[in-house]
Order: sequence, then C-alpha cells, then structure tokens
Amino acid sequence: AQSVTQLGSHVSVSEGALVLLRCNYSSSVPPYLFWYVQYPNQGLQLLLKYTTGATLVKGINGFEAEFKKSETSFHLTKPSAHMSDAAEYFCAVSPGGYNKLIFGAGTRLAVHP
Amino acid sequence: NAGVTQTPKFQVLKTGQSMTLQCAQDMNHEYMSWYRQDPGMGLRLIHYSVGAGITDQGEVPNGYNVSRSTTEDFPLRLLSAAPSQTSVYFCASNTGGQHYNEQFFGPGTRLTVL
Repeated sequence: AQSVTQLGSHVSVSEGALVLLRCNYSSSVPPYLFWYVQYPNQGLQLLLKYTTGATLVKGINGFEAEFKKSETSFHLTKPSAHMSDAAEYFCAVSPGGYNKLIFGAGTRLAVHP
Repeated sequence: NAGVTQTPKFQVLKTGQSMTLQCAQDMNHEYMSWYRQDPGMGLRLIHYSVGAGITDQGEVPNGYNVSRSTTEDFPLRLLSAAPSQTSVYFCASNTGGQHYNEQFFGPGTRLTVL
C-alpha cells in the first residue's frame, strides 16, 4: 500500500534561512509525487509535482523538490524563507487510479523575523 | 471562473441531524472528489466521481453519500451526523485522463457535530 511520511509536524525558520521540509513515500509502482500548500482558512494549492523525467522539480514561489528513488524521498526546499511562506505543507503520492491522492499528515511552517 | 466553490463555509449540527455539503465547479472537469482534513492526519479521500452518474468510495466512505447528476455539482450528504464527523471538508476537481493532473481545491467547509 502507498503511504507518505512527513518528518516534523512543525518547522520553524528565520526569515532568509533555508527551508527544508521532508517527505518520504512508499509505493509499489513508480510514483507521482506532489507538494501542496495550505494558507490559513484556505484550500490547498499545488506547489509542484513530479511525474517523470527530470528529478529536480521547480515550483511556484521559489520552491523546488528533488525526487530520489534510492531514498524514496521528495523533500521540499527553498533557499531563503519569506514571512509569506508561513503555511501548512502537504506531500502527496498518486498510486495510480484516478483521483486517488494519498496525503501525508502535513508540516506547519513558521517563519519568524 | 469561480473555480471550485463550497457552501456553507461553517456548519454546526447536532448528533443525528442530516445535511448536504454543496460543491460546484465551473471548469468542466470530469473528476471530482471529497476529502476530510483532521489534525495530524492530512487529507483523506471520502468519495470521488469520474463523471456524471459515476461515483466510487475512497478511504473513509462510511457515514457519507454522494451523487453526481451533473458535471458541475458533487454534493456530499451526511445522513445521520456523528461527533466523529467533525472535520474540515474539501471538494476538489481535475481533468480526467491521467492521474497526475493537478487537483483544484475549494475553500472548505468546517463542520462541527455536537
């Protein structure tokens, strides 16, 4: 069965510091991987996705993620945090079959001055 | 385009009451889904639809019914609400054909069952 583990339910960084949000997955088939962001009292918005091809994926707002098959990881990074990045971030895997996204538990990112 | 809309934004029910959460999309998407979001558990799929007249169960379907009579609408019904159904509910839609297409989410409905 497919699953997603996000390490750290809360991450706190200083403005301008590196953001690293960790995601590990398990999948019996080549996975499709996603990062979504949820701002307070809003729905989820797609940050980036990996399907096939280049393993380093760039998304919106300066975020990127690297698919590492050997480590079954898809960590999200941003070189320099901004106050507006404070939100909850969800990693998800699509195990095949339409509409079936499996989400991790989420990581809440706090950015302090 | 309004995208995916959900009503109501907030709802308080008593145990045993019934209600329908509304979801509509104006993007002509074939696929629509309902998720619930609970603290520390991420989002879990309740039901989904791959087109008008076609629905199927997700990970946590018990206590919920759905129907899809039109492409645009995908209501979620709680027949007899229970406190365990206190959650935030999200509707999502996407184009069909490939499972890695982006899902577009509505703003959510926050439901409390007393």
